[in-house]
Amino acid sequence: EEQLVQSAAELKKPGESLRISCQGSGYTFTNFWITWVRQMPGKGLEWVGRIDPSDSYTNYNPSFQGHVSISVDKSISTAYLQWSSLKASDTAMYYCARHYSASSGWFDPWGQGTLVTVSS
Amino acid sequence: EIVMTQSPVTLSVSPGERVTLSCRASQSVSSSLAWYQQKPGQAPRLLIFHASTRATGIPPRFSGSGSGTEFTLTISSLQSEDFAVYFCQQYANWPPRYTFGQGTKLEIK
Repeated sequence: EEQLVQSAAELKKPGESLRISCQGSGYTFTNFWITWVRQMPGKGLEWVGRIDPSDSYTNYNPSFQGHVSISVDKSISTAYLQWSSLKASDTAMYYCARHYSASSGWFDPWGQGTLVTVSS
Repeated sequence: EIVMTQSPVTLSVSPGERVTLSCRASQSVSSSLAWYQQKPGQAPRLLIFHASTRATGIPPRFSGSGSGTEFTLTISSLQSEDFAVYFCQQYANWPPRYTFGQGTKLEIK
């Protein structure tokens, strides 16, 4: 079964750093881009950015660029979303998702989500 | 940025009814449109891509249509498990700037 498994929920303080993870299994990890999507409490879906695991090439939503960083460790089939200085407004559920095929723009499957709570 | 607008925001329907959800793009996205279903506490699930192609395992009661700026998702006969929030998503940009609609919530009448 092709699946993405995300890391557990996090509770952090403003200004702290954080890295959450997304591990793929059941398929060749380097053949498919991974995308990250934010869902703030009770809100819709926002595309954060994506990475090509084969060469770590990234594209970011300009609204998130400079505030988050996406990376990958091919050796363990894992993608990461990272913040160096969290804000309260980063509180949200974050999903990773695989692009359906090598260069498609739609996403399947999705990870189960990682809830990030930033509060003093 | 391409803005996706869904209507209605909320729809109250009875099981067995036929429903049509709308999604409008602020500029043409050709057929680069996907639909997702999200149930409470769950991740989104892909239903439709290329505006009208059902994803693997999606029942035939779900169908998508449209191109350019106007799209619809139709559920031919609502089942209890279909009450959820539905999002459309465009993937027409290069470099990518994927955007989602704000969602339509299907409620039980």
